[in-house]
Amino acid sequence: SQQGEEDPQALSIQEGENATMNCSYKTSINNLQWYRQNSGRGLVHLILIRSNEREKHSGRLRVTLDTSKKSSSLLITASRAADTASYFCATDNFGNEKLTFGTGTRLTIIP
Amino acid sequence: DAGVIQSPRHEVTEMGQEVTLRCKPISGHNSLFWYRQTMMRGLELLIYFNNNVPIDDSGMPEDRFSAKMPNASFSTLKIQPSEPRDSAVYFCASTIGGEGYTFGSGTRLTVV
Repeated sequence: SQQGEEDPQALSIQEGENATMNCSYKTSINNLQWYRQNSGRGLVHLILIRSNEREKHSGRLRVTLDTSKKSSSLLITASRAADTASYFCATDNFGNEKLTFGTGTRLTIIP
Repeated sequence: DAGVIQSPRHEVTEMGQEVTLRCKPISGHNSLFWYRQTMMRGLELLIYFNNNVPIDDSGMPEDRFSAKMPNASFSTLKIQPSEPRDSAVYFCASTIGGEGYTFGSGTRLTVV
């Protein structure tokens, strides 16, 4: 079953703009992770945020976590054509490394 | 490290045939996961191993599916007999210390 629901399902923006994707989940988590998947490829780990953290940065990525609302957001700043991909959130609910993936947001960057 | 290696990349088989998917995790990773991805159901966890021991196989859809991990560097997922509804992309992933998965490139399975 899907734990996370990404919103929006699809997003198209101009190159250089910022892209924001949201993830909501249902049960308590140990950590939440974001992954990118290019068409026809495997998923690539982007960033992990633990349940006791509220914000994390990695390069052009900024992730926030609100455990009271059971939600997370991924912000990609200054988007590039190469950022075109599907983005998934995944939750580790029990600290046992088992991840449940959301439904994904398909991001298209228009050159 | 070459990353997680899966084979074959593509497999087309006839209904009723046996299919074996293979995975070589990253050296030193002690957890291995098999996922299936379809448009309808997204990414589903089938089974995962820790230190070569199956920990949770609750996602394995039916007895037609089986998985093994005979050693730390090799795992197989077998479907016997295969059915058209098994058509999907199957991913293997490995990790250590819960710091994020490394995925393989996947095997695209088509059962006709």
